[in-house]
Amino acid sequence: NAGVTQTPKFQVLKTGQSMTLQCAQDMNHNSMYWYRQDPGMGLRLIYYSASEGTTDKGEVPNGYNVSRLNKREFSLRLESAAPSQTSVYFCASRGIPGNTIYFGEGSWLTVV
Amino acid sequence: RKEVEQDPGPFNVPEGATVAFNCTYSNSASQSFFWYRQDCRKEPKLLMSVYSSGNEDGRFTAQLNRASQYISLLIRDSKLSDSATYLCVVRSGNTPLVFGKGTRLSVIA
Repeated sequence: NAGVTQTPKFQVLKTGQSMTLQCAQDMNHNSMYWYRQDPGMGLRLIYYSASEGTTDKGEVPNGYNVSRLNKREFSLRLESAAPSQTSVYFCASRGIPGNTIYFGEGSWLTVV
Repeated sequence: RKEVEQDPGPFNVPEGATVAFNCTYSNSASQSFFWYRQDCRKEPKLLMSVYSSGNEDGRFTAQLNRASQYISLLIRDSKLSDSATYLCVVRSGNTPLVFGKGTRLSVIA
């Protein structure tokens, strides 16, 4: 029972490099989310997708782009990584509004 | 005022103690409330939803006070395994969930 799967788990990037974080869920959920978590800052929403074909900005979207490839997959792209984007990134999904949200195991990204 | 505020702690309590966390929220239209638990270097996981009438799950009791716009989590008979960060989560309508920064609990033998 996979739930929410995100890759890679760990990544080190150089400033200016690009990369894509992949996320897939097998629970047939409509809504998917990307959060970042930094010490002392809590979880902050980057982008979300309420349903296939739609995406919306969250609290901290600058420097990121997303793609809702299909109902299962929601990717997060860093076009030109900056040290300020060093963080733990969590993908999440939710089914029926009001229901609980499920998280992936996280992706630890360091930008040097 | 931040949407969801929690005392960051840490709360250091001995095994067997009772500990309570409070969380305040600013949006009076908030409809759904949850407590999540996050272990070190792990993803957050749902601990329990919070219902208007209050609800209990074993040693855990959650309460909601809409008039004062706060929710609480009470843990009785604390175990070492309860050591974690507890996140207060609030949702309004179909908007994404808003997470508090979390309260860190350390249960000491």
